[in-house]
Amino acid sequence: GENVEQHPSTLSVQEGDSAVIKCTYSDSASNYFPWYKQELGKRPQLIIDIRSNVGEKKDQRIAVTLNKTAKHFSLHITETQPEDSAVYFCAASDTGFQKLVFGTGTRLLVSP
Amino acid sequence: DTGVSQNPRHKITKRGQNVTFRCDPISEHNRLYWYRQTLGQGPEFLTYFQNEAQLEKSRLLSDRFSAERPKGSFSTLEIQRTEQGDSAMYLCASSPNSVEQYFGPGTRLTVT
Repeated sequence: GENVEQHPSTLSVQEGDSAVIKCTYSDSASNYFPWYKQELGKRPQLIIDIRSNVGEKKDQRIAVTLNKTAKHFSLHITETQPEDSAVYFCAASDTGFQKLVFGTGTRLLVSP
Repeated sequence: DTGVSQNPRHKITKRGQNVTFRCDPISEHNRLYWYRQTLGQGPEFLTYFQNEAQLEKSRLLSDRFSAERPKGSFSTLEIQRTEQGDSAMYLCASSPNSVEQYFGPGTRLTVT
C-alpha cells in the first residue's frame, strides 16, 4: 500500500520568511496530493491540492509542486505570518476509493 | 453551518463499555470517510461509504468496530468493548463525487 513520508517534523521561521515542507510517496499510481492545516484542537482544513497531471499550483502565499518521476511533492509558504503556525499534513490518494494516506505532519512555528 | 458535523465532541468511557459516534456530512456529499488520529500522528483511514454502501474497511477496523450509513446521509461508528488503545480522535470526512475531502471537528474518545 501507499506510504507517505514527511519532513521536517518541526520547522521554526521568522515572520516574513519562507517555509518549505517536503513529502515523498511510494505508490506511483497515486494521483491526488492534498495539504491540510490543523490548528490545535481543530479539524484538518484543506488548504491546497494538486493532481498528477499538474506540476505546480499556487494560491496567494501558498504553492505546491509535484515531481512525479521522483515521487515527491512540496508545500511552499511565502511571507509567513504568525497565524500560519499550525501542523501541516500532506497526503496522497489512491486511484480507487480516494482514501487519503497521510504523512506524519510538520509543526510550523512562525515567530513575530 | 453547512460543514461536516460530528457528535459528541468528547466522550469519556470506561474500558469495556460500548460507544457510538455520529457524523453528518455536507449535504449531497455521497462519499463519507472515517479516520482515526492519535496524538502527533496524521489521520489513519478506517472505512469508506459511497452512499449507503460500505466499500472499504481498513485492517485497523477490528471486529469490535462497526460503521453504518443507513440512508446514505449521516453515519454512525460504534466501538464495542472499548479498550484503552481505542483512545483517539475519530474524524469524519465527506466528499462530493470528486477527490476533495472535508473534515468534521472530530470526536475525542478517552477510555479510562
